[in-house]
Amino acid sequence: EAGVAQSPRYKIIEKRQSVAFWCNPISGHATLYWYQQILGQGPKLLIQFQNNGVVDDSQLPKDRFSAERLKGVDSTLKIQPAKLEDSAVYLCASSLPTGGYEKLFFGSGTQLSVL
Amino acid sequence: GDSVTQMEGPVTLSEEAFLTINCTYTATGYPSLFWYVQYPGEGLQLLLKATKADDKGSNKGFEATYRKETTSFHLEKGSVQVSDSAVYFCALISIQGAQKLVFGQGTRLTINP
Repeated sequence: EAGVAQSPRYKIIEKRQSVAFWCNPISGHATLYWYQQILGQGPKLLIQFQNNGVVDDSQLPKDRFSAERLKGVDSTLKIQPAKLEDSAVYLCASSLPTGGYEKLFFGSGTQLSVL
Repeated sequence: GDSVTQMEGPVTLSEEAFLTINCTYTATGYPSLFWYVQYPGEGLQLLLKATKADDKGSNKGFEATYRKETTSFHLEKGSVQVSDSAVYFCALISIQGAQKLVFGQGTRLTINP
């Protein structure tokens, strides 16, 4: 079974530039999550989708971050404009609706460096 | 809000040593507790879990017991191997409001042969 795919693996940008990350969840997984993992901290949930609807985006900085999940499959997370404090690893995860957090699969992440 | 605190890292041990990584939590009610592991270059993966007080989760020789009296979920392994080198995260499912996974800061473990 293929895992959660993320790209790019690494990204370096300057502050005030824009960046986008892509995630392809495991086939059939209706629930998709984006997490932000700052160095030395645990992952923090940014947004959760159920199919193409948003379940929880309470911790998403909506003035600069946006995410979409067209057709309930792939998802894109965008930052515009980026700030230095956005440097982090961005993790995508997916699960079946019934599995919840106990059946959560993570991708390898995209490491973002904002200079 | 709910939170998880892990012991400071990094932790370096020799092969076959006994491992303990401390984890304590602050939460309303009795959340489910988890340990996740992140091997170099790989995604986070669930190592073990416990869903109620006194439950013991175990996997790959690792164990952790849900202690509500001390609000702890310490990870232990009797004899570590080089292949156990990874970052370990303690986590809970918050039952405040929308359920969400709350992670500790992670503990980097290095095992030397």
